[in-house]
Amino acid sequence: EVVLTQSPATLSLSPGERATLSCRASQDVSSYLGWYQQRPGQAPRLLIYDASNRATGIPARFSGSGSGTDFTLTISSLEPEDFAVYYCQQRINWPRTFGRGTRVEIK
Amino acid sequence: QVVESGGDLVQPGGSLRLSCAASGFPFNNHWMSWVRQAPGKGPEWVANIKKDGSEVNYLDSVRGRFTISRDNAKNSLFLQMNSLRADDTAVYYCVKGGGIGDVWGQGTTVTVSS
Repeated sequence: EVVLTQSPATLSLSPGERATLSCRASQDVSSYLGWYQQRPGQAPRLLIYDASNRATGIPARFSGSGSGTDFTLTISSLEPEDFAVYYCQQRINWPRTFGRGTRVEIK
Repeated sequence: QVVESGGDLVQPGGSLRLSCAASGFPFNNHWMSWVRQAPGKGPEWVANIKKDGSEVNYLDSVRGRFTISRDNAKNSLFLQMNSLRADDTAVYYCVKGGGIGDVWGQGTTVTVSS
C-alpha cells in the first residue's frame, strides 16, 4: 500500500498570501497523484489530477507539481473560501490511498 | 451529479444497502467508486467497479463483507454491506471515477452502534 505523508499538518496564513502544501509518497507513483479540497460539512472536491492538471472549473491560483514521490500544491494568493483541508491521493495502484490532510487556517 | 441514499443506524453484525443515482453523464462509460470518511478522519477508498461491472476492487478491511454492483440500465450504483462493524461508521460517498474522483455526491451516513 502506498502511504502518502502530507506536511505541514496545519498551515496558518492570511488572505492574499501564498500557500505551499507538500505530499510525499512511500513509493514511486509517477504522476498519478491528485489533490482535493474539503470544506466543513462538504464532500471533497477535486482540484488537481495527475499531478498538474486542473480539474474543470478550478481557478488558476491552484497549481500542482511534482512526480515520482514528491508533490506540491500551490495556492498563489489565498482567497477567503480557500481556508479548508487539502488531501492528496494516489491512483497508481490499489488500494487508492489518501494522505492525512493539511488544514489551511486563517492566521 | 450523483445522489446517495440508504444510510442508517444499524447494529453491529447487521446489513445495509446503499444506492447511488447518477445523472448528467454517460454512466455506462465510467468506472464508479464508493469512498467513505469516518468522523474526523481523511477519506478512504472502499471499492470501485469497471464500466461494465466485469472488474471490482475492495479495500482489504471490507473484502468478503461488502459487495459493489451497478445497473447501467438504471444509471445506478450499489454497495451491499454485511457483517457491519463499529469501524464501518462513516459518511459514504458515491464517486464518479475509478481513481480520479471528479464528481462526488453529498454522502449518506452509516452509523454502526448498539
